[in-house]
Amino acid sequence: GNSVTQMEGPVTLSEEAFLTINCTYTATGYPSLFWYVQYPGEGLQLLLKATKADDKGSNKGFEATYRKETTSFHLEKGSVQVSDSAVYFCALSSGGSNYKLTFGKGTLLTVNP
Amino acid sequence: GAVVSQHPSWVICKSGTSVKIECRSLDFQATTMFWYRQFPKQSLMLMATSNEGSKATYEQGVEKDKFLINHASLTLSTLTVTSAHPEDSSFYICSAVVNLANEQFFGPGTRLTVL
Repeated sequence: GNSVTQMEGPVTLSEEAFLTINCTYTATGYPSLFWYVQYPGEGLQLLLKATKADDKGSNKGFEATYRKETTSFHLEKGSVQVSDSAVYFCALSSGGSNYKLTFGKGTLLTVNP
Repeated sequence: GAVVSQHPSWVICKSGTSVKIECRSLDFQATTMFWYRQFPKQSLMLMATSNEGSKATYEQGVEKDKFLINHASLTLSTLTVTSAHPEDSSFYICSAVVNLANEQFFGPGTRLTVL
């Protein structure tokens, strides 16, 4: 079956530090890959996605590249801000749609000024 | 952007009682809504998929008689936890889509505690 393994948190960084949150997956076929972000008190929001190998998703300074050879989709940001403090979820869906998402456990990021 | 609300945001109930959680799409019509469950420090697990006007489709291992789902309109789905027990205590999250090819929009979740 499908599964997603992501870096356990919590992760605490200072403002302007470099961020990496690792995510690897197991899936049949060719899944689509996603990063969702959940700010305190809010629902999950789609941060970025990639639908095929070597695609790079990017949004709000965050990037992740779909690496089929390493089955990975690591999230990176060059310079984090306090407002980036949130829980980040890696997810996949098989069949090329958003249907039936399989999520990682989530990584809590705290950015201190 | 599209907004999905859940009500209540948290609820405490006694063992044996039933609890209803509402999920509403506020500014779009959702043909499909999803219900997830999240235990502390665990992934979101899909419980069921509900389509407006038809019976919900439950994931393997989810008791349909315990978790009743009603998708009565294009903007409202409800999850009723019947005869709740302490092991049902969890964080329940819904999401909604216009159609299955589109992005899922998530509600903020409902924290259920069964005493």
